[in-house]
Amino acid sequence: QVQLQESGPGLVKPSETLSLTCTVSGGSISTYYWSWIRQPPGKGLEWIGYIYYSGSTNYNPSLKSRVTISIDTSKNQFSLELSSVTAADTAVFYCARYKGLNAFDIWGQGTMVTVSS
Amino acid sequence: DIQMTQSPSTLSASVGDRVTITCRASQSISSWLAWYEQKPGKAPKLLIYKASSLESGVPSRFSGSGSGTEFTLTISSLQPDDFATYYCQQYNSYPWTFGQGTKVEI
Repeated sequence: QVQLQESGPGLVKPSETLSLTCTVSGGSISTYYWSWIRQPPGKGLEWIGYIYYSGSTNYNPSLKSRVTISIDTSKNQFSLELSSVTAADTAVFYCARYKGLNAFDIWGQGTMVTVSS
Repeated sequence: DIQMTQSPSTLSASVGDRVTITCRASQSISSWLAWYEQKPGKAPKLLIYKASSLESGVPSRFSGSGSGTEFTLTISSLQPDDFATYYCQQYNSYPWTFGQGTKVEI
């Protein structure tokens, strides 16, 4: 079955760029939409954006100026970059598969990223 | 953005209780609503999609209903494993948005 696994630094300095990768296993990334979602400690969920295997993207306007999502179909991976981070960007970041009708049906386990000097 | 408002924020219940959580959208989202369950330290898990369709493998005690702006998630007989936080999410319009969550506790 399809599984997702996030990877990347757990600590990022303020004003720097947060970079995470999600590796898709057990299936091809060349279908469906692939998303990033975050959850600050003790708070709710916020959709960051998605990428389709073709490379087309859609971002949450609240983060659009700082977000880039990219995809590498040869590695079955997609990535998130969030620039100019502040402490407010501290969160658990999840990657997830968006299956259209079925919404977010598969999630990674999540990775905690702390923004601190 | 479409605002999703869940009620209650916290719900105290006992094993065997029938539990209902409400989710209201700030504008019509047709039936483009999903429900997720999240346990501490874990990723959300899809329970219901398209407002009332049960995700494969999810127990039949979970059900969803509603359309337009008002939706409900019902657990017909609460089990010990169901104590968790539940989120609704609309995927009718960008940006996709989530409710603030409902914590079901003993």
